[in-house]
Amino acid sequence: SQTIHQWPATLVQPVGSPLSLECTVEGTSNPNLYWYRQAAGRGLQLLFYSVGIGQISSEVPQNLSASRPQDRQFILSSKKLLLSDSGFYLCASADILGYTFGSGTRLTVV
Amino acid sequence: DAKTTQPNSMESNEEEPVHLPCNHSTISGTDYIHWYRQLPSQGPEYVIHGLTSNVNNRMASLAIAEDRKSSTLILHRATLRDAAVYYCILSRNTDKLIFGTGTRLQVFP
Repeated sequence: SQTIHQWPATLVQPVGSPLSLECTVEGTSNPNLYWYRQAAGRGLQLLFYSVGIGQISSEVPQNLSASRPQDRQFILSSKKLLLSDSGFYLCASADILGYTFGSGTRLTVV
Repeated sequence: DAKTTQPNSMESNEEEPVHLPCNHSTISGTDYIHWYRQLPSQGPEYVIHGLTSNVNNRMASLAIAEDRKSSTLILHRATLRDAAVYYCILSRNTDKLIFGTGTRLQVFP
């Protein structure tokens, strides 16, 4: 079964600083990978998804970008964080057996 | 993506069965019905999914209407650990999951 490693669990960053969140997947090959964000008290919003190395689709216009340098590695980045980037970020992986979510990173931009 | 409609919240007492409804009147023939739940400060957890027939697993049962325009997630005996937000989602296989607002289930001792 798939296992997702996401770190760090919590992060506090100042406005204008860069961001890099990494997600790695074990137990599967060539999965579809996803980044979601959940604002406080809200539902999950799909930000990016990837069907393969170097292939990224963006779901909503935003201050963030994503990259997939390896089959089981998905990175979420920002050059300059905004206050509105605060939230709970979740990485997910999907293969023919289904979806698995990581434990998430809670980002607070101050 | 086909949409689903769920009640915002439901309540149950411990040890009682819980029936969580979901309407999906615009479902297409290839859409699977997925249920996930999210405990506070955690990522969503898979509960169950189905296409046409009712499904059972160790966590829950999924009852799918004959016309597939609605479904019900059944927790046979609610526990305090079942308190979570439950999401009903339509998706085709490894297609992206689009989450709605879900149903917040409260379980009282």
